[in-house]
Amino acid sequence: DAGITQSPRYKITETGRQVTLMCHQTWSHSYMFWYRQDLGHGLRLIYYSAAADITDKGEVPDGYVVSRSKTENFPLTLESATRSQTSVYFCASSRIMTEYTGELFFGEGSRLTVL
Amino acid sequence: AQRVTQPEKLLSVFKGAPVELKCNYSYSGSPELFWYVQYSRQRLQLLLRHISRESIKGFTADLNKGETSFHLKKPFAQEEDSAMYYCALSGMDSSYKLIFGSGTRLLVRP
Repeated sequence: DAGITQSPRYKITETGRQVTLMCHQTWSHSYMFWYRQDLGHGLRLIYYSAAADITDKGEVPDGYVVSRSKTENFPLTLESATRSQTSVYFCASSRIMTEYTGELFFGEGSRLTVL
Repeated sequence: AQRVTQPEKLLSVFKGAPVELKCNYSYSGSPELFWYVQYSRQRLQLLLRHISRESIKGFTADLNKGETSFHLKKPFAQEEDSAMYYCALSGMDSSYKLIFGSGTRLLVRP
């Protein structure tokens, strides 16, 4: 079944290390998003992409880097991980973004722990 | 500023009791409002959107522009309704990106 997959599902790393979270979708959706989920904050948008080679910052982009060389992939990189980046990260995709949408399709999440 | 507020972190009710999950928003333009749900060990998924005026799994939500609210209601809660619920907002001012509230965990006790 086509879908959106994230890897790794669980990751433990140390402060200062580089970490890349992968996101792959098979629907050819134009839009892809990275959110982080934290207790008390809900879901906060980190970065999003409207198409290949087009990315833009969300609410909390500091400390993160994204790229989108292919429509189906949207990796999220923490260049130098900090403890405050311990979180659950969700990738999502959407076919279009207009007033008629709002339905994002989410991955299962990647739980990252930074020691 | 665009903002979604869910004042309750946890809502605990007994099976068969009515449920109301509160959502208030701040938005200058004309928003689109949504409820997303995350059941245990499942992905976050869309529950309903105000533009559709639909009832999903017995849940309804009415957009009240005067009170800037979009509360989620169900007359008789079921145990399987236990989940994390997120209210979300979209609109032209945010380039249609979804802005989520902090979420409310609904616990339906037997």
